Amino acid sequence: QLQLQESGPGLVKPSETLSLTCTVSGGSISRSDSYWGWIRQSPGKGLEWMGSIYYLGSTYYTPSLKSRVTISVDTSKNQFSLNLLSVTAADTAVYYCARHLWGYYRYFAQWGQGTRVAVSS
Amino acid sequence: DIVMTQSPLSLPVTPGEPASISCRSSQSLLHSNGYNYLDWYVQKPGQSPQLLIHVGSTRAPGVPDRFSGSGSGTDFTLTISKVEAEDVGVYYCVQALQTLMFTFGQGTKLEIK
Repeated sequence: QLQLQESGPGLVKPSETLSLTCTVSGGSISRSDSYWGWIRQSPGKGLEWMGSIYYLGSTYYTPSLKSRVTISVDTSKNQFSLNLLSVTAADTAVYYCARHLWGYYRYFAQWGQGTRVAVSS
Repeated sequence: DIVMTQSPLSLPVTPGEPASISCRSSQSLLHSNGYNYLDWYVQKPGQSPQLLIHVGSTRAPGVPDRFSGSGSGTDFTLTISKVEAEDVGVYYCVQALQTLMFTFGQGTKLEIK
């Protein structure tokens, strides 16, 4: 069964770059039916899709974060990564990675357990 | 961008009673292929979100049939026919019409009275 696991530092200083990695196990990240995305949840708030990547490298970002977000994929490691530049306290959140479909059906099929990231000096 | 608005934001329900959550989008979610690209997720306490319904009314595998989705265009409803204690959580509607972009509603917190 496909599983996703986020990893990365739990604490990032303001103005620095937040970097997270999602490791996919139990299946290939190079499957043609799947996209790989990042979603975050700020404390006490709802869910925000940040962006997605296809295994061939095409990326899609939410407009409000587009200037600060980069998502990349490493098919040899079965991983994809998130970089968020110039973080502030507003970027404190639980960050989830997920697999989603994008065709006739469009939904998040599997989620990681989430990783909590705090932005603080 | 499409804005998703849910109501109510808090929903106390007695076990065995029905519950309904409304979701409205700022633009029609009806695609030319006939699908409404509106999904429902639930996030149970301490867990990641999980899919309940996609394309407006199709239950995900393993989802109990007490959950149903309805609606088209800009107005959608998630209905639980008889709420059980295990249904506690936050319910989100999500639009997936715009090209590779997802927008979540604010979430509706269902709690047991």
